[in-house]
Amino acid sequence: ETGVTQTPRHLVMGMTNKKSLKCEQHLGHNAMYWYKQSAKKPLELMFVYSLEERVENNSVPSRFSPECPNSSHLFLHLHTLQPEDSALYLCASSPGTTSSYEQYFGPGTRLTVT
Amino acid sequence: GNSVTQMEGPVTLSEEAFLTINCTYTATGYPSLFWYVQYPGEGLQLLLKATKADDKGSNKGFEATYRKETTSFHLEKGSVQVSDSAVYFCALSDPLSNDYKLSFGAGTTVTVRA
Repeated sequence: ETGVTQTPRHLVMGMTNKKSLKCEQHLGHNAMYWYKQSAKKPLELMFVYSLEERVENNSVPSRFSPECPNSSHLFLHLHTLQPEDSALYLCASSPGTTSSYEQYFGPGTRLTVT
Repeated sequence: GNSVTQMEGPVTLSEEAFLTINCTYTATGYPSLFWYVQYPGEGLQLLLKATKADDKGSNKGFEATYRKETTSFHLEKGSVQVSDSAVYFCALSDPLSNDYKLSFGAGTTVTVRA
């Protein structure tokens, strides 16, 4: 138990659906992250929020839309996804955004796009 | 740019065998180095870290020493157990580039047989 929870753990959606992934951290951290983990590929950083402000958007398609209403919650809104978007989506948090802070990861949401 | 190279897997061992996973890095500054572990069906967990040269990180019987002269951070465990079966990721963060980004290696899958 890392103090970062993600729901749902598994999600199957069609290409025309709209769904949201939720992440919550109970650690009092100020920074939150979304990563994509695909089979046989390195972890890809998608978005970074620091104090509820987006500080990084790593050329992610607009069909992924993040939202950070407060420092404890992070959402990833999904719409009109493609089958290649099927992956494990990991949320992480850290106390701040300096290099000495390790990141704490949630268990991930396994997304399948049909 | 920053990058991490770790040995390709999969690695299959018998219980009580010695495990080494090689990791080398390229960084523009003086990075912090991490090993993360991902057990089946879970997110990444920080295993150990080192923030300066000659530091040794250790946890759960695993060790890694920050070697600046060889730009390496190899992970070792003297006697593995079946419960050590997981994917291991080497990572770095570099304060002279993007200070909040973790650069991950591709991961090494380790399977320990009873």
